[in-house]
Amino acid sequence: EDQVTQSPEALRLQEGESSSLNCSYTVSGLRGLFWYRQDPGKGPEFLFTLYSAGEEKEKERLKATLTKKESFLHITAPKPEDSATYLCAVQTINKLTFGGGTRVLVKP
Amino acid sequence: EAGVTQFPSHSVIEKGQTVTLRCDPISGHDNLYWYRRVMGKEIKFLLHFVKESKQDESGMPNNRFLAERTGGTYSTLKVQPAELEDSGVYFCASSPWTGGDTQYFGPGTRLTVL
Repeated sequence: EDQVTQSPEALRLQEGESSSLNCSYTVSGLRGLFWYRQDPGKGPEFLFTLYSAGEEKEKERLKATLTKKESFLHITAPKPEDSATYLCAVQTINKLTFGGGTRVLVKP
Repeated sequence: EAGVTQFPSHSVIEKGQTVTLRCDPISGHDNLYWYRRVMGKEIKFLLHFVKESKQDESGMPNNRFLAERTGGTYSTLKVQPAELEDSGVYFCASSPWTGGDTQYFGPGTRLTVL
């Protein structure tokens, strides 16, 4: 059975304090690894797709990387508006299997 | 371009009643997915439509849940009769084609069964 584990569950950062979120996965037939951001009361908002080990993608203060067993989401010099829950999901055939998410709070 | 929309945003019903959730995917997206998050758990897959056909319904919890997608446009998810454990947030997502493609999510419908 496909499995996705995210750590830590929660992260409190000071504004400007860089950190990394981890997503480890066990899956057969990975088609893609997705990162989403979710704000309270809203649906997941797409951030990145990674398809193969060694791939990296960047968007503003976020950078996602992928290995054969895990993915990292690096947040560089975060701002309060980066506060959200970050979700990792793996795609096999069509459906997404999600991790539990990491709740990030960035304090000014 | 309009995103995925869901209606209602919140529904409160009593155990044993029927509720119907609606999802309108992004225009032109053939693939439509339903997911659910129950309290304290991760988001879980329910089923996948390609146009009007059910491609995968392996995540549907039991036969109290019925999903339809008439004409390959919007979809409905009916729960009949609702039980307490059906409470949660139901998300709909759509994508243009199958296989490694990005799924775009709607805002969700929060279902509370009392």
